[in-house]
Amino acid sequence: EAGVTQFPSHSVIEKGQTVTLRCDPISGHDNLYWYRRVMGKEIKFLLHFVKESKQDESGMPNNRFLAERTGGTYSTLKVQPAELEDSGVYFCASSRGFAEAFFGQGTRLTVV
Amino acid sequence: DAKTTQPTSMDCAEGRAANLPCNHSTISGNEYVYWYRQIHSQGPQYIIHGLKNNETNEMASLIITEDRKSSTLILPHATLRDTAVYYCIVRVLGRNAGNMLTFGGGTRLMVKP
Repeated sequence: EAGVTQFPSHSVIEKGQTVTLRCDPISGHDNLYWYRRVMGKEIKFLLHFVKESKQDESGMPNNRFLAERTGGTYSTLKVQPAELEDSGVYFCASSRGFAEAFFGQGTRLTVV
Repeated sequence: DAKTTQPTSMDCAEGRAANLPCNHSTISGNEYVYWYRQIHSQGPQYIIHGLKNNETNEMASLIITEDRKSSTLILPHATLRDTAVYYCIVRVLGRNAGNMLTFGGGTRLMVKP
């Protein structure tokens, strides 16, 4: 069974540009989560999808971040425009119902 | 979710048991104890979870005290590959619960030859 897949693994963009991160959850997992770790800080929750619906987006830092999960399969997280403080590692996780969540390897975003 | 307290770092000799403590004195009756770890810069990896009974799986054992205010994760025979940051997380499950994981600083376990 394939795990959670994230793309790209690394991204370097200039301040003001747009970046889109993609997450493919484990097949059959209806719950999908986004987390991130910015430099020197703890891993923080961003938002939670149940199928295609946003269940909880309380962790989204501001309106420059937009997450979608059309069709309830893969999800994208767009940052527009990117700022320096957005640099960090973005993790996606998925779970079946309320079971344990499995994480992807993350996307390392560097904004210069 | 309840706050957890873990030691910042621990060492363990290869082949010996690693016992990682966690305090969660304000845990509620419907909160589960979860353990995850992060090896180097990989994504967090699920280890084990429990509510009030001790649990064991192929990776580890989880011992929860009777009052549920603390727990211990046990890696019975630590290997060098177990070197990682271990996170103890308490979490409510359910349709109306947040279901997210609240990561703290964790314990950095160093397994030494």
